[in-house]
Amino acid sequence: SAVISQKPSRDICQRGTSLTIQCQVDSQVTMMFWYRQQPGQSLTLIATANQGSEATYESGFVIDKFPISRPNLTFSTLTVSNMSPEDSSIYLCSTQLGVSEQYFGPGTRLTVT
Amino acid sequence: KQEVTQIPAALSVPEGENLVLNCSFTDSAIYNLQWFRQDPGKGLTSLLLIQSSQREQTSGRLNASLDKSSGRSTLYIAASQPGDSATYLCAVITNAGKSTFGDGTTLTVKP
Repeated sequence: SAVISQKPSRDICQRGTSLTIQCQVDSQVTMMFWYRQQPGQSLTLIATANQGSEATYESGFVIDKFPISRPNLTFSTLTVSNMSPEDSSIYLCSTQLGVSEQYFGPGTRLTVT
Repeated sequence: KQEVTQIPAALSVPEGENLVLNCSFTDSAIYNLQWFRQDPGKGLTSLLLIQSSQREQTSGRLNASLDKSSGRSTLYIAASQPGDSATYLCAVITNAGKSTFGDGTTLTVKP
């Protein structure tokens, strides 16, 4: 299994500012994923982050708004830029081990005022 | 585009009852299917992973089945307990590692 930690666990931010979320995995992994869960909704994949290459973004998500770093095989960051109240969500990172079993971090609860 | 639907959206049962949660998906070309539990304000806890070549997986009181050809999976919970109250999510996973989630079933087990 994989143990994933995220920082911060929650934050309240002002409109127009940016927040960087950190994700740490306790083992080396090839792929890391970033998801968003808006209030009362399910998870939506934002992007896939592979070490040594640019992140791959899903439809509706762009690098300027959600820049991602993947400096090594155990760590990734997601930045939510120029925030608006619509960005208020839980942001989760995940990875896969073995036959694609997914593991998730505890999430970062973001509130934009 | 893969779409995942979970029925019912919410379910309330008395303690001790057996129950079934349903998950359907539109594209049968999946790699795996995984069931998760999410408690309010928390992350996701993996319950069961079914590989595309498998038909079911069991863990304790939980049993998950997969019928790829019909695009369906079920999660069976036996002898439900109040501690089982949570939102249950299914996710279908492609061989590229991408997951599509259903909207979840919120389960309440009453003592």
